[in-house]
Amino acid sequence: DTGVSQDPRHKITKRGQNVTFRCDPISEHNRLYWYRQTLGQGPEFLTYFQNEAQLEKSRLLSDRFSAERPKGSFSTLEIQRTEQGDSAMYLCASSLAGVYEQYFGPGTRLTVT
Amino acid sequence: GENVEQHPSTLSVQEGDSAVIKCTYSDSASNYFPWYKQELGKGPQLIIDIRSNVGEKKDQRIAVTLNKTAKHFSLHITETQPEDSAVYFCAASWTSYDKVIFGPGTSLSVIP
Repeated sequence: DTGVSQDPRHKITKRGQNVTFRCDPISEHNRLYWYRQTLGQGPEFLTYFQNEAQLEKSRLLSDRFSAERPKGSFSTLEIQRTEQGDSAMYLCASSLAGVYEQYFGPGTRLTVT
Repeated sequence: GENVEQHPSTLSVQEGDSAVIKCTYSDSASNYFPWYKQELGKGPQLIIDIRSNVGEKKDQRIAVTLNKTAKHFSLHITETQPEDSAVYFCAASWTSYDKVIFGPGTSLSVIP
């Protein structure tokens, strides 16, 4: 399967713990995006990378959130000191620079207890 | 800020009937309008899109229309089938090809 992959698919953690998610984009795509989706809502943009450069961050991305794409391939999203309000589906998408179409992975569902 | 509204929030149709979902957007600079289908437990899947220089686009049973003056766009699904049941999201983006702003979604149920 050459689509966007995300790991893990599900994560349950206790409040205050740190969690890290991984996204592997479609191999030739140089742009990678992170979105968050809460129940019954559409995805909300968090941040995106072109190659290894993080080009934009949403105001939703508090200082407890950090994203990296060190070699311009896979990306990680870390949430420190998780709160119950962080419970959501975290979606990754990828695209080619200069092309509109974004393709999404299956998401990582985070539950903070 | 940028905003995309979508209605209805739920839609139930008989198999074989048509379904229409309507969206409006706030930023007149928006020029790319994708539609995504999301099935339970899966990520959104791009099903069709339209650019601002086009008024209508069709792909088999799916068609999208865009009215830039009114800042409205719509998704039309004809001859609906049970496998069309899912949540559909309209969205808008810009020439910078960066973030996509999504609507709140329409849950479509096709009754056999």
